[in-house]
Amino acid sequence: DIQMTQSPSSLSASVGDRLTITCRASQSISSRLNWYQQKPGKAPEVLIYNAASLQSGVPSRFSGSGSGTDFALTITRLQPEDFATYFCQQAYSFPRTFGQGTKVEVK
Amino acid sequence: QVHLVQSGAEVKNPGASVKVSCKTSGYTFTGNWIHWVRQAPGEGLEWMGYIIPNSGDTHYAQNFQGRVTMTRDTSISTAYMDLTRLTSDDTAVYYCARGVANSGAVWLDPWGQGTLVTVSS
Repeated sequence: DIQMTQSPSSLSASVGDRLTITCRASQSISSRLNWYQQKPGKAPEVLIYNAASLQSGVPSRFSGSGSGTDFALTITRLQPEDFATYFCQQAYSFPRTFGQGTKVEVK
Repeated sequence: QVHLVQSGAEVKNPGASVKVSCKTSGYTFTGNWIHWVRQAPGEGLEWMGYIIPNSGDTHYAQNFQGRVTMTRDTSISTAYMDLTRLTSDDTAVYYCARGVANSGAVWLDPWGQGTLVTVSS
């Protein structure tokens, strides 16, 4: 199975901040990496698919980058509704695996 | 608009089975795979497997082999996940999600609202 490691596991930030979350795969997954946002008590929602493609309806302050084993999710100008938990997921092989999550909290 | 609506919360005794339904609407049910993912309280996401609604073919994660069965009823655009021999470790929110594929990329969108399964004596 491909292991996905996110960092950090949590971070504190303020509205307007720029932040970056990283995700590392235990082997190359090409660009088959998705990012999801999950708010408390809600189902995850896709933000970025195929490493860098912005899902329709997702604000442009979200962006993704990377290929191979190293990936990043960047949020520019953090908004109040962005405080949530973010997960990466590899879509290269089965079983699909997720990172452990990064919780973005209010500083 | 695409919607996945899951059945309600369940409380089960250890050793019992649970069947969760996922009713879809807003798209052609046989056109997309349905995946199941679970999340234990305060934990991360664990992929369980998928079903191809068109054929009924399934693929399960090794961790659930022998205990999970995924089925579908195309006449009512609904997928099901059956998990047997429940233990307290199976207490989790179970999600169904539609698999979307485009030019080799694959992602899950949207997800059902989740079904809380509590295993307790």
